[in-house]
Amino acid sequence: GAGVSQTPSNKVTEKGKYVELRCDPISGHTALYWYRQSLGQGPEFLIYFQGTGAADDSGLPNDRFFAVRPEGSVSTLKIQRTERGDSAVYLCASSSYGGSFYEQYFGPGTRLTVT
Amino acid sequence: KQEVTQIPAALSVPEGENLVLNCSFTDSAIYNLQWFRQDPGKGLTSLLLIQSSQREQTSGRLNASLDKSSGRSTLYIAASQPGDSATYLCAVGHQTGANNLFFGTGTRLTVIP
Repeated sequence: GAGVSQTPSNKVTEKGKYVELRCDPISGHTALYWYRQSLGQGPEFLIYFQGTGAADDSGLPNDRFFAVRPEGSVSTLKIQRTERGDSAVYLCASSSYGGSFYEQYFGPGTRLTVT
Repeated sequence: KQEVTQIPAALSVPEGENLVLNCSFTDSAIYNLQWFRQDPGKGLTSLLLIQSSQREQTSGRLNASLDKSSGRSTLYIAASQPGDSATYLCAVGHQTGANNLFFGTGTRLTVIP
């Protein structure tokens, strides 16, 4: 079956602009995660959805970052007033149920470059 | 907070050699440990998932072990090939509090033909 997909694969934007990154999880997976991976680092957790609600947003770095999952499937990560430090690969993962007990399946990521 | 460390940060080996990658974590209260492969500019490919009750998992030329009490895991790659060149990441699923995975910074492996 289809895996996790993310669009766009690459996004270049100017400092101060608004961007949206999309994640399509594996069909039927109730849990969805966003991670951010800076160059040379491992992925770091941003936010976790169980169904439509954000169950844990403790990893969001500041209030410029926001994510939604209105119908419990597709999720959008939104970044306002982008800064050069936001440049990174944004990874999405889904799992059949929430919680770190269940295996997470990752998408290919969106590489965001802020110029 | 769970801290995950991977040593070495980079490793170069000649083709055909067997090698071991190391991962350590500070809090042994984990559900599982997962090894991923990441090619340059790409996402994560899951290689092996070890549940906390298991000691090892094998897939082809890969063998991952887990010693939960000492906070260590190793990924053994037999008869390395140039196609194994990639960054290898380990990640732990923590039992208490967090729902997310905690990742190490990875080991960049180069297999020289």
